[in-house]
Amino acid sequence: ETGVTQTPRHLVMGMTNKKSLKCEQHLGHNAMYWYKQSAKKPLELMFVYSLEERVENNSVPSRFSPECPNSSHLFLHLHTLQPEDSALYLCASGAQGGVSEQFFGPGTRLTVL
Amino acid sequence: GENVEQHPSTLSVQEGDSAVIKCTYSDSASNYFPWYKQELGKRPQLIIDIRSNVGEKKDQRIAVTLNKTAKHFSLHITETQPEDSAVYFCAASSMNRDDKIIFGKGTRLHILP
Repeated sequence: ETGVTQTPRHLVMGMTNKKSLKCEQHLGHNAMYWYKQSAKKPLELMFVYSLEERVENNSVPSRFSPECPNSSHLFLHLHTLQPEDSALYLCASGAQGGVSEQFFGPGTRLTVL
Repeated sequence: GENVEQHPSTLSVQEGDSAVIKCTYSDSASNYFPWYKQELGKRPQLIIDIRSNVGEKKDQRIAVTLNKTAKHFSLHITETQPEDSAVYFCAASSMNRDDKIIFGKGTRLHILP
């Protein structure tokens, strides 16, 4: 166990559904990240939160909406997704500054029908 | 912005032989270079990292070298074993880039019996 957990582990949703992914870390880190992992782009950074403020949005479509209510929790709200959004979504946490080890969660395998 | 190129995308080596994976980066301000290993169905985990004030770092069978002038760094695995089979990702980050870390596209390493 790395101290980063994600729920759910698997999610199947239709294009009109609204769902949320949850990430939790108990490592005392100040930075949290969402990554999308697919065959085309193996580790694509989506969002970065540092001290609960979003510092990076890497041009992600607005159908993905992150939320970081505190330094231990990170959410990814999903709505009106497309089939090409099917992928593994990985959460990670690290010390502020991005120049130290990132600890990844197990991921949520998302399938959009 | 930063761009990290990783080669090769796939590598097969005989068990006991050495494996080398190479990465280049574009931003001269990058000062932290981690390597992550992702086994099938598992999360990425840090195996070794190097900072820009060091040219080489070794940990048992794994070593990383950094050439700041040429902006490239390499992972060396000696005496490869079956459990080394995985996808390896290089990455680069800098304190100046707001916690942003850029990953290469990964190398799938196969250790042949």
